[in-house]
Amino acid sequence: QVQLQESGPGLVKPSETLSLTCTVSGGSISSLYWSWIRQFPGKGLEWIGHIYYSGSTDYNPSLRSRVTMLVDTSNNQFSLRLNSVTAADTAVYYCARVKWGSSGTFDYWGQGTLVTVSS
Amino acid sequence: DIQMTQSPSTLSASVGDRVTITCRASQSISSWLAWYQQKPGKAPNLLIYKASSLESGVPSRFSGTGSGTEFTLTISSLQPDDFATYYCQQYKSYAWTFGQGTKLEI
Repeated sequence: QVQLQESGPGLVKPSETLSLTCTVSGGSISSLYWSWIRQFPGKGLEWIGHIYYSGSTDYNPSLRSRVTMLVDTSNNQFSLRLNSVTAADTAVYYCARVKWGSSGTFDYWGQGTLVTVSS
Repeated sequence: DIQMTQSPSTLSASVGDRVTITCRASQSISSWLAWYQQKPGKAPNLLIYKASSLESGVPSRFSGTGSGTEFTLTISSLQPDDFATYYCQQYKSYAWTFGQGTKLEI
């Protein structure tokens, strides 16, 4: 059974960089796409972007200037960096697996990690 | 971005009821639509993809229909475990976007 686990600071100061890592267990990170999705306090969901195991990426255009995703196949991990954060970036951040054969849907999710942007 | 609009925002129902949730896209997305269920404090769970394909392990009381701009999720006979929030999501074009959610309550 594939499992995903997010890790990283729960509090980030305004203008600084949010950094999260997702560790995948129970399966290989290879040959699939992996995504980051966030959920705002008001419950709206936003797709941030995804990364292929080879390192190629697609980002939400609204966040593209601030987002970087990386993959580390040797440790079965992928990561998210979001720079110049503001209070509007406060959300629960999920990592998720893009379903094989149905690109664009998410069949396995991490439990989510709350990131608060505040001084 | 393609905007996804769900209705209703809240739906009150009882165990055994048949319920339908609607999702409308701001432009045609063919059948590139998914439905998720989310319970409090948990991540969303994929129920339906490609508008009508049931994800493995999901009970058959869940079904999805539609294409183009209008879609529905139907639960044929509500069970206690079904009271949750439901989201639709389009994956026709970037950025993939979600509806605002429908809370199904007793």
